[in-house]
Amino acid sequence: KNEVEQSPQNLTAQEGEFITINCSYSVGISALHWLQQHPGGGIVSLFMLSSGKKKHGRLIATINIQEKHSSLHITASHPRDSAVYICAVSPLGTSGSRLTFGEGTQLTVNP
Amino acid sequence: DGGITQSPKYLFRKEGQNVTLSCEQNLNHDAMYWYRQDPGQGLRLIYYSQIVNDFQKGDIAEGYSVSREKKESFPLTVTSAQKNPTAFYLCASSTPRQADNQPQHFGDGTRLSIL
Repeated sequence: KNEVEQSPQNLTAQEGEFITINCSYSVGISALHWLQQHPGGGIVSLFMLSSGKKKHGRLIATINIQEKHSSLHITASHPRDSAVYICAVSPLGTSGSRLTFGEGTQLTVNP
Repeated sequence: DGGITQSPKYLFRKEGQNVTLSCEQNLNHDAMYWYRQDPGQGLRLIYYSQIVNDFQKGDIAEGYSVSREKKESFPLTVTSAQKNPTAFYLCASSTPRQADNQPQHFGDGTRLSIL
């Protein structure tokens, strides 16, 4: 079993829909990261959080440390949001920036 | 603008050849990382370096080698000992201190294929 599990693996939505991607992990962590991988392959860091909730534009990330669970929400989705979204964690006991990654969620938003 | 540059974007290797993937950063980051991405799998750590002239094996280091002679550069060599080198390779960098809580910055990747 992977230490970081994401669901769903694939998600197709219509423009304007509210989207949720889930991430569960099985180890103690110091931080959780949400990343976005563009079709060309480059990766951008969206959020890093260790508690509570963060918001940036139409993106919202939440984390529940007790339940070892995080969600990434996209409000008013747009075709340009189509990408792979990756959850990663910084496990306790490892160097501060070493990450363990989920397999990613492929999101397609149709116009 | 600061960032990470990986080159080349596409690379082809013949059987038995070593190839070197370049990664350069101008973010003044101490830590650098090499990851491998295969279809349907999460990124896996090959090697990482937290400071110049020092590096550690990651989870899948066999068949790979690295050097860290300069802070800005962390080249990855895929040797002929790597039996399945076809993959997408990503380089990243960050500040190593946990108190900084800084995310990793990624390059655009190099796609390596076997001829």
